[in-house]
Amino acid sequence: QSVLTQPPSVSGAPRQRVSISCSGSSSNIGNNAVNWYQQLPGKAPKLLIYYDEQVASGVSDRFSGSKSGTSASLAISGLQSEDEADYYCAAWDDRLNVQVFGGGTKLTVL
Amino acid sequence: EVQLLESGGGLVQPGGSLRLSCAASGLTINNYAMSWVRQAPGKGLEWVSGISGGDDSTYYADSVKGRFTISRDTSKNTLYLQMNSLRADDTATYYCASALALAGKIDYWGQGTLVTVSS
Repeated sequence: QSVLTQPPSVSGAPRQRVSISCSGSSSNIGNNAVNWYQQLPGKAPKLLIYYDEQVASGVSDRFSGSKSGTSASLAISGLQSEDEADYYCAAWDDRLNVQVFGGGTKLTVL
Repeated sequence: EVQLLESGGGLVQPGGSLRLSCAASGLTINNYAMSWVRQAPGKGLEWVSGISGGDDSTYYADSVKGRFTISRDTSKNTLYLQMNSLRADDTATYYCASALALAGKIDYWGQGTLVTVSS
């Protein structure tokens, strides 16, 4: 059971927009920055979004992040087949003193 | 270019020990917060342990506390994870990761090393 809650899967057709939610608490998302990582099959994770909404260097501006209270969201517009991957949210937890991850969301491009 | 190269993974029996290494190039690990993140087969990411840049404070997930020890050798620019009393549920790919702060974004990831705990 992950500290941060994400939907196990989302899907969308090419060129559509999808969003992935990440729910936490006051000790993590509510008080610290949220970062999002993309993991392509068989690869190491890669930073996508940091400080809630900043797009990492070299990442397409089709990716965007937002946060409100103890929840965060990753949006992907103009879906492409290359976006098929697992996506993870993460934040530091002040109560546990660890970095906590969401359980991951598998994105399927139909 | 920053590179993190893990080594030391392999097959170990339950109750055994293993030491993972992460050789860094392109950055000086003493100036960065370094972490180990693992991923069990077919599962999600789990942060295991981290060491702060500068003051060497260490942090552990409850699942490994008392069994794993993180350390670094600045002369070799290498991060370590000593894993003792290994259990089947420690089976995972272990990634080395670097950030400016433990609470911050992970900028660089290694390619991972697989640890299998089985008799």
